Amino acid sequence: QKEVEQDPGPLSVPEGAIVSLNCTYSNSAFQYFMWYRQYSRKGPELLMYTYSSGNKEDGRFTAQVDKSSKYISLFIRDSQPSDSATYLCASVSGNTPLVFGKGTRLSVIA
Amino acid sequence: DAGVIQSPRHEVTEMGQEVTLRCKPISGHDYLFWYRQTMMRGLELLIYFNNNVPIDDSGMPEDRFSAKMPNASFSTLKIQPSEPRDSAVYFCASRKGVEEKLFFGSGTQLSVL
Repeated sequence: QKEVEQDPGPLSVPEGAIVSLNCTYSNSAFQYFMWYRQYSRKGPELLMYTYSSGNKEDGRFTAQVDKSSKYISLFIRDSQPSDSATYLCASVSGNTPLVFGKGTRLSVIA
Repeated sequence: DAGVIQSPRHEVTEMGQEVTLRCKPISGHDYLFWYRQTMMRGLELLIYFNNNVPIDDSGMPEDRFSAKMPNASFSTLKIQPSEPRDSAVYFCASRKGVEEKLFFGSGTQLSVL
């Protein structure tokens, strides 16, 4: 079992929809949780960053971590065609490399 | 800052040839990571360096792969001999100290025919 599991999709939604992207992880030591966004033919870029459990909001994006169930979520409100990309969740504990999920490919249709 | 710079952007080669991928990390970053990305396996960590010293190369698939970091501003990933199953996008990434925020280059698309 990979340490971070993510449904690869693809996920297709109409413009304006609320998008929910999810990951599960198995390592209880993970403390930091990130979402990266990757556009086609580009490297991943950090989108959201949270420490431990709780919510973090940035504009239309909300990251949520539930450590009790080892569940990581990213919500996108009022989705736009420019949000079409692959979204990767990642987790890490201490001074170790990030562990990434496989990524979910999202298409927002105008 | 120019970000993490990788070259070449695309590499097409024939099976058995040597391939060298290059990376310049962000200035001041002391960690450098090499990842490989495929549809089937996602983003896999191959090796990472701290202060130019290899820390963990357990992700390197086999002896055909080698990586070096001769100084703080340059790293190479070499595949010799290359095989078709090595075809993937190879990313270099860097970070500063214990910060968890990782910055990626644009990647090298490698095709081995």
